Amino acid sequence: DTEVTQTPKHLVMGMTNKKSLKCEQHMGHRAMYWYKQKAKKPPELMFVYSYEKLSINESVPSRFSPECPNSSLLNLHLHALQPEDSALYLCASSQEDRVWTEAFFGQGTRLTVV
Amino acid sequence: QKEVEQNSGPLSVPEGAIASLNCTYSDRGSQSFFWYRQYSGKSPELIMFIYSNGDKEDGRFTAQLNKASQYVSLLIRDSQPSDSATYLCAVRGSGGYNKLIFGAGTRLAVHP
Repeated sequence: DTEVTQTPKHLVMGMTNKKSLKCEQHMGHRAMYWYKQKAKKPPELMFVYSYEKLSINESVPSRFSPECPNSSLLNLHLHALQPEDSALYLCASSQEDRVWTEAFFGQGTRLTVV
Repeated sequence: QKEVEQNSGPLSVPEGAIASLNCTYSDRGSQSFFWYRQYSGKSPELIMFIYSNGDKEDGRFTAQLNKASQYVSLLIRDSQPSDSATYLCAVRGSGGYNKLIFGAGTRLAVHP
């Protein structure tokens, strides 16, 4: 089983709203990632959690706030977003923070900011 | 210079032919290499990974790695219309183990 589950699948939010994206995996993976993907562009790394600690923040604006409540869950809290933040947000997980591990993606959340 | 480079395509091949997709990377410290397939509007799906120089085969797919040339490729034999997608090359091992950096992707179109 290589399933990473993201909810919701689609989200429309206003620029003053607060919302959260959720990601869950039950593969025992200890590294989890958030990526942002714009149309016809590759996924761009946003955050990495390793053993529930934030290990990489790719200079993401503070209106995006990640949280890892436990080893199976990863959240991305959204506040005061801009229309240009509209994108496909992808969660991924891998076994550990080692080079020789594959990352598996969830189906993504399609976010539209109006 | 981009860390991971791919020809954006489209690469058009007839059904049954071999599709060859290429990727170069800039960081000699990179240690593991991945190929993902992404259909339009969907998330990336892992199809191959390779860590050692040489070839690795899995069904119709063969990944090839040449670390001296900083080059990794994906061959798809007996291409099918269902293989039409964007193929993303991803590299791990530069700037920290957890960083998985993607190339821009190559769009493959297999025509009947």
